[in-house]
Amino acid sequence: DQQVKQNSPSLSVQEGRISILNCDYTNSMFDYFLWYKKYPAEGPTFLISISSIKDKNEDGRFTVFLNKSAKHLSLHIVPSQPGDSAVYFCAAYTSFGNEKLTFGTGTRLTIIP
Amino acid sequence: DADVTQTPRNRITKTGKRIMLECSQTKGHDRMYWYRQDPGLGLRLIYYSFDVKDINKGEISDGYSVSRQAQAKFSLSLESAIPNQTALYFCATSEPGTGVNEQFFGPGTRLTVL
Repeated sequence: DQQVKQNSPSLSVQEGRISILNCDYTNSMFDYFLWYKKYPAEGPTFLISISSIKDKNEDGRFTVFLNKSAKHLSLHIVPSQPGDSAVYFCAAYTSFGNEKLTFGTGTRLTIIP
Repeated sequence: DADVTQTPRNRITKTGKRIMLECSQTKGHDRMYWYRQDPGLGLRLIYYSFDVKDINKGEISDGYSVSRQAQAKFSLSLESAIPNQTALYFCATSEPGTGVNEQFFGPGTRLTVL
């Protein structure tokens, strides 16, 4: 059972436009959500997070939105840059448990110059 | 120097062979993890360790074993490799009590079992 789902395997966006990556989850016990970015031949690197007590968290060009009622989160990148081309994973965990991360399947973002 | 290192970076082996993947970290973190990544499946947790004396199975531990030799070292072994263990393997570390459970990943080991 896939508790964290990223239904779009790939996404292409023009440079300068907004990239929106989506993630859905089924486990209502998750209270922290993270986005990781992965370049080829490298390990994933942490990008941004949000706790369930918030509905928005912003860090520079990156904003994560959380809709708890819909069990949905999204990552907005604006403006998109060529260096943003990577695979993006969303992940979630329960802070009052063992804090194991459950990852989505990833979305490959390609920024078109 | 990288904070989390993995050796080897690439390995090709044959069915039935014993393989060990090694992970070392200089971050001083207590928690270490092993994941595998397969196309279309994301990252799945194999084993994790919260300190030297603590070892826990993840969601896909069958066919794998681990050893936490020291705070800084966490090894993953495939006792008898099989082709469906062909995957990209990542080690990660984290430190509890620092807010978000941000995990720091190594560069990965690409394992091919023929």
